[in-house]
Amino acid sequence: NAGVTQTPKFQVLKTGQSMTLQCAQDMNHEYMSWYRQDPGMGLRLIHYSVGAGITDQGEVPNGYNVSRSTTEDFPLRLLSAAPSQTSVYFCASSATTSGEQETQYFGPGTRLLVL
Amino acid sequence: AQSVTQLDSQVPVFEEAPVELRCNYSSSVSVYLFWYVQYPNQGLQLLLKYLSGSTLVESINGFEAEFNKSQTSFHLRKPSVHISDTAEYFCAVSETGGFKTIFGAGTRLFVKA
Repeated sequence: NAGVTQTPKFQVLKTGQSMTLQCAQDMNHEYMSWYRQDPGMGLRLIHYSVGAGITDQGEVPNGYNVSRSTTEDFPLRLLSAAPSQTSVYFCASSATTSGEQETQYFGPGTRLLVL
Repeated sequence: AQSVTQLDSQVPVFEEAPVELRCNYSSSVSVYLFWYVQYPNQGLQLLLKYLSGSTLVESINGFEAEFNKSQTSFHLRKPSVHISDTAEYFCAVSETGGFKTIFGAGTRLFVKA
């Protein structure tokens, strides 16, 4: 199993550009989520999904869109990049038991720099 | 809504000394508690978790954490650290029956020779 994969590893954008961060998992996990990691702030939840076709907002959803058309993929879209979105982005997935989240498995991260 | 406070942003310690990384949480309902570790330039990995049952949980590499409901704490301890334990450690909380896991700001553990 490859686990959770993320592409690209590193990206530079100009303010106002849009892009999609890709995330895929091969563990048949129902739950997937996106976090951003900023110094001194830990990880903050952007969006999450409890299954194909179902998504919901996390702590910091503004400026980001998600969709979940398959169990395996959970892309994160930046609609119009801003310097405040410079961060490291992590995707995670987990199985669910009785509808409750269990251990999350994280991807290696995408470093995004917005100029 | 739940929240997590990690009281120390950095903890320097000498090799073979004991260490405690502190974590307090707030929630109005029952919770699951986690400690994750992040080595440089890597993603996070689960270190240990409390879901129910015994309040003392252990990891395979010698860390342990104790769930204290009255003090709403889940401190991480290791009796003797190694250089290889140098990493950032994150405490996280998830409300039972919920789907959001909230992370603390992290504690950087520096183990010095």
